[in-house]
Amino acid sequence: KAGVTQTPRYLIKTRGQQVTLSCSPISGHRSVSWYQQTPGQGLQFLFEYFSETQRNKGNFPGRFSGRQFSNSRSEMNVSTLELGDSALYLCASSLRRDTEAFFGQGTRLTVV
Amino acid sequence: DAKTTQPTSMDCAEGRAANLPCNHSTISGNEYVYWYRQIHSQGPQYIIHGLKNNETNEMASLIITEDRKSSTLILPHATLRDTAVYYCIVRPLESGNTPLVFGKGTRLSVIA
Repeated sequence: KAGVTQTPRYLIKTRGQQVTLSCSPISGHRSVSWYQQTPGQGLQFLFEYFSETQRNKGNFPGRFSGRQFSNSRSEMNVSTLELGDSALYLCASSLRRDTEAFFGQGTRLTVV
Repeated sequence: DAKTTQPTSMDCAEGRAANLPCNHSTISGNEYVYWYRQIHSQGPQYIIHGLKNNETNEMASLIITEDRKSSTLILPHATLRDTAVYYCIVRPLESGNTPLVFGKGTRLSVIA
């Protein structure tokens, strides 16, 4: 069974640009969550999607958004990139909202 | 904020058991204990979870004290590939609205 797939693995963007990251969950998993990991703040929750609806949101500015498609694949978008957005962005999927989550390898975003 | 306390770092000799403690003195009756680990630059990996009984799977054993205020993750025969940051997380039974909250974890170094 394939794991959680995140694309791209690495990305370099310039301040002010916008970026879209993609996540394909494990087959059959319907819940997808996104996390940001930085050396200073550690792993922080961004948002969760289930059945194409955002169910939960972390404490991040509105520049961070996401969506989920009918096949459970998810994308997250960051607009007007700032240097501080440089981080490892992780996607996790779970069968249901209350079951264990499995993470992808992440997308490492560098903003210059 | 994370509801758990873990030592910052630990060392373990290769081939020996690694015992990673976690304090969760404010845990509620409806909260599970989850363990994840993160090998450098990869996404977190689910290890095991439990409510009040000891649990074992192919990766590790989880021992939860009778009062549920602390637990220990046991890797029975640590290898160099077990070197990682280990996170202990408490999460409600009905976790639909509760994301995983990661603390700083324990950095385990397995030494040859």
